[in-house]
Amino acid sequence: EVQLVDSGGGWVQPGGSLRLSCVASGFTLDSYDMNWVRQAPGKGLEWLSYIDPSGNNIDYADSVKGRFTISRDSAKTSLFLQMNSLRAEDTAVYYCATNAAYCRGDNCYSRFDYWGQGSLVTVSS
Amino acid sequence: AIQMTQSPSSLSASVGDRVTITCRASQAIRSDLGWYQQKPGKAPKLLIHAASTLHSGVPSRFSGSGSGTAFTLTIVSLQPEDFATYYCLQDYAYPFTFGPGTKVDIK
Repeated sequence: EVQLVDSGGGWVQPGGSLRLSCVASGFTLDSYDMNWVRQAPGKGLEWLSYIDPSGNNIDYADSVKGRFTISRDSAKTSLFLQMNSLRAEDTAVYYCATNAAYCRGDNCYSRFDYWGQGSLVTVSS
Repeated sequence: AIQMTQSPSSLSASVGDRVTITCRASQAIRSDLGWYQQKPGKAPKLLIHAASTLHSGVPSRFSGSGSGTAFTLTIVSLQPEDFATYYCLQDYAYPFTFGPGTKVDIK
């Protein structure tokens, strides 16, 4: 079965750190852009970060830039999100997602087609 | 960053109804837009990409249209399993941004 499994969430005090992992099962991640998306309790979805297959192209939402670091392993099965200087407003369920991007002519499009089940991060004193 | 808005924020509908949700971008994004469905406690699911292309396995009662700054998601003949929250996502430029969501519940 093809799936992504998120892990690493938990409770942490403000200012602390956590490292989230996303492991692929049934397929490898080497051909995908990978993304992290989060959802605060009772709120909407927020895109956080992406990394391309080479690991050389990365971007972040302003809300996490300078505090969070996305990476992927050379074995091509795992994605990570290192979260530092955590704040109460970072409390959320964090999802990883594959982007099966494709191009038609000069235009390229995204498809967030596989998602992890989500990992809850709670930042509280 | 490109800002996305959705309307309405919520709606009540009955099984069999036709439902239309609108998403607007703060600048032109060509057709670089996807629609996602999310049910409580679950990860989002891709419905439509490139504004109007139905994702594999998604029922044909879902359709998308639009380009530039205005987009719509239409569900013809709403089914019980369609009661959920729907989000648009612009993938024209990083940082990608989601709309705030539209909750579809039972009238």
